[in-house]
Amino acid sequence: DAGVIQSPRHEVTEMGQEVTLRCKPISGHDYLFWYRQTMMRGLELLIYFNNNVPIDDSGMPEDRFSAKMPNASFSTLKIQPSEPRDSAVYFCASSPQRGRHTGELFFGEGSRLTVL
Amino acid sequence: KQEVTQIPAALSVPEGENLVLNCSFTDSAIYNLQWFRQDPGKGLTSLLLIQSSQREQTSGRLNASLDKSSGRSTLYIAASQPGDSATYLCAVRRVGNDMRFGAGTRLTVKP
Repeated sequence: DAGVIQSPRHEVTEMGQEVTLRCKPISGHDYLFWYRQTMMRGLELLIYFNNNVPIDDSGMPEDRFSAKMPNASFSTLKIQPSEPRDSAVYFCASSPQRGRHTGELFFGEGSRLTVL
Repeated sequence: KQEVTQIPAALSVPEGENLVLNCSFTDSAIYNLQWFRQDPGKGLTSLLLIQSSQREQTSGRLNASLDKSSGRSTLYIAASQPGDSATYLCAVRRVGNDMRFGAGTRLTVKP
């Protein structure tokens, strides 16, 4: 399996622009998580989905952030409008609900966002 | 709310030493606990997963233990090598399925 695939790996944009981050989870995984990592705050859970349904979005910082999962193989995290304080590495992770790796979290390589 | 704490924040040891990294959590109603490794500028790599019903897991030179009642887990690394230098993160998954991370322990193994 190719693992969790995220794009873009790096994004540099200007304040006020819309940013869309993409994630393809591991095939067959039932859970998908979006995390944000910064030096100051470490890894923060933003939102997670179970079978494409958002379960907990209490970590989404503001209304500028939104996430969707239209099908089992694709999710997006959108920031509109972006601000410099959104600069961070955004990770997507997926997890199976059954089988040998039940409950184990697998991470993508992350999307490094810089907002100028 | 689940709080996860890792001690120490940083650790430097000479090559060949055995070492222990600590993780503590406040809510014992957990689903599982997972240890990760993160190299600079990279994603997180899963090292060991301990289900709530288990006491320990082993993989090569790594051994992780779990004591739910005291809210603690340890990651033991035997015969450390320079290639083990990385940040090690502990994450606890609650019964409600979200996963909370500690701040990590930054390990440096000197040749």
